[in-house]
Amino acid sequence: SQQGEEDPQALSIQEGENATMNCSYKTSINNLQWYRQNSGRGLVHLILIRSNEREKHSGRLRVTLDTSKKSSSLLITASRAADTASYFCATDASGYGQNFVFGPGTRLSVLP
Amino acid sequence: GAVVSQHPSRVICKSGTSVKIECRSLDFQATTMFWYRQFPKKSLMLMATSNEGSKATYEQGVEKDKFLINHASLTLSTLTVTSAHPEDSSFYICSASGGGNEQFFGPGTRLTVL
Repeated sequence: SQQGEEDPQALSIQEGENATMNCSYKTSINNLQWYRQNSGRGLVHLILIRSNEREKHSGRLRVTLDTSKKSSSLLITASRAADTASYFCATDASGYGQNFVFGPGTRLSVLP
Repeated sequence: GAVVSQHPSRVICKSGTSVKIECRSLDFQATTMFWYRQFPKKSLMLMATSNEGSKATYEQGVEKDKFLINHASLTLSTLTVTSAHPEDSSFYICSASGGGNEQFFGPGTRLTVL
């Protein structure tokens, strides 16, 4: 069953603004991963955050994890039109890359 | 590194025919491969997990006789949609894992059944 749930499901912002997407889940996890998908394409791995980590950065991406609230957020700073895509969180309870559960995704549109 | 390819990228077939989709890990040995299905503007739904040399484990509600999965080597898994019907039209994505935390995803195959 799907346990990752992204919020909002769709987000439209202007270029240069920051975009924040949230993900909630229901059960214990080993790690949580964020992926990006351009329309009609495969998934690109963005960042992995382990259950004992609270925040990670990668370039313009910042991910937080609050295991007490079972939620994570993905922040994209200084957004660009090329950031337009769908973003998914996936939870991994096993820690072995098995049994990923994907959320419904957030469709981000960055307007030039 | 960690590149996964899928072939074909797009296929159109007539109702009743079977379609085979290949998933290859190009630069690593994939001990486990996963097959997902994605409907338009929806998330990925795991269909099955396959380990090299053993039978695939199917998720609840996925017909194993309709979606045949073969993982004959550490670099190749195939999904065959048998007797395809229009409701099988979807975007099929495979991923591969070498045993670490990550799954590496293929570019997907868009199946259209007429």
